This record gives sequence, C-alpha cells and structure tokens, in this order.
Amino acid sequence: KAGVTQTPRYLIKTRGQQVTLSCSPISGHRSVSWYQQTPGQGLQFLFEYFSETQRNKGNFPGRFSGRQFSNSRSEMNVSTLELGDSALYLCASSLGQGKGETQYFGPGTRLLVL
Amino acid sequence: AQSVTQLGSHVSVSEGALVLLRCNYSSSVPPYLFWYVQYPNQGLQLLLKYTSAATLVKGINGFEAEFKKSETSFHLTKPSAHMSDAAEYFCAVSDQSGGSYIPTFGRGTSLIVHP
Repeated sequence: KAGVTQTPRYLIKTRGQQVTLSCSPISGHRSVSWYQQTPGQGLQFLFEYFSETQRNKGNFPGRFSGRQFSNSRSEMNVSTLELGDSALYLCASSLGQGKGETQYFGPGTRLLVL
Repeated sequence: AQSVTQLGSHVSVSEGALVLLRCNYSSSVPPYLFWYVQYPNQGLQLLLKYTSAATLVKGINGFEAEFKKSETSFHLTKPSAHMSDAAEYFCAVSDQSGGSYIPTFGRGTSLIVHP
C-alpha cells in the first residue's frame, strides 16, 4: 500500500500571502489529521477530518482552515501568512475507528515564510 | 486533557550502550500510549504502542517499552544502541475528544549516538 503523501514538500512564501497544502491518505483511511511542528512548540494538533467533516480542532486562529474531499484527500489552508507560521506541517491518516489506533504520517511540507 | 512529559530534550549514548528515553503521562482513565521516531526530513513512524494487552511492549528495531501504572510511565529502551538509531523520539498519549482519539505528543527527545 502506498503511504501518506504530502505536496508540496517545500514551500517559500512571503508575509500576507496564503498557502494551500495537500495530503493524500493511505487507501481506505477515512481520518486525516494535521499537525504543526516547530522547534519551539513541538508537535501541535491543528484539526482532524473524518468523512468530510471536521471532527476535532486544535487551538489555532481562524487563519488556519482545512477540508476533506469524498476520496478522503485533505487540504489545509493558511491565509495572511505570518513569520511564525514557518514550520513543518505534518499530515497523518488512520482508519478513524478510535481506540488505540495508529496514525500514519506523511513526510511533511516544510513552509518558510519570509 | 491528558499530557505527556519527556525528560531530557537530548540523550547522548555510545554505540552499543543501553538506550533509555523517559516518558511520563497524566491520565484519569486507562491510556493508549505510543512511541514514534522521526528521522531528519521525514514524518513520524510508529515504534510501538500500548493498548492494555501487555505491560511490556516490543516494537520495531529492537525497541521496547514498559507500561507502569503506579509510576505513570512508559519509558522506551533498547539494549544496544546503533548509529542508525540517532533520531528524534516522541511519546504520545491518546485522549478521547469529540468521538475520536487525538494523541497528545511530548516535546520529543533527540537521541545522539557516538561511535
């Protein structure tokens, strides 16, 4: 089975711009979660989508949004980029069954905001 | 909400030495616990997980972890370190929220292996 893929792998933007990141989960997985990873804050949960619905949301401003399509692929969008948004954005997929479930991570998209 | 504390942001060992990475969690209910590894420029990969079946959990690459309820710990060990073990290690605890189990991650421990 193919793993979780994320595109693009690297991205450079300037302050005020917006960006869209894409994630393709493992085939059959219906849950997609997004995380922001920075040296200072570690791994922080952004949101989770399950069957096209946002099921959980972390503590991030409204500039961060996402969606999930009927084929379980997911996108996240960050509007009005700030310098502090520079980070590695990780996507993880799972079956979405719950208890003790393993999340499978993609390689991430590294975003640099100048 | 649950939380995870990983003691030591960096751990340095010699090749062939014992690896011990510490993880303590807080939980009011039986937890699900995970250890992930992240190599440079890659995502996280599951090493092992505890789901109440057995307190000693064996994972990939020779790693294992022991769940100790009385100490609220889930430390990761490997008898003999290899150069290829150098990576970032994350402990995570699973917390039911909104109908799903979103893991909370520790800050990570960077394992450095000296020749």
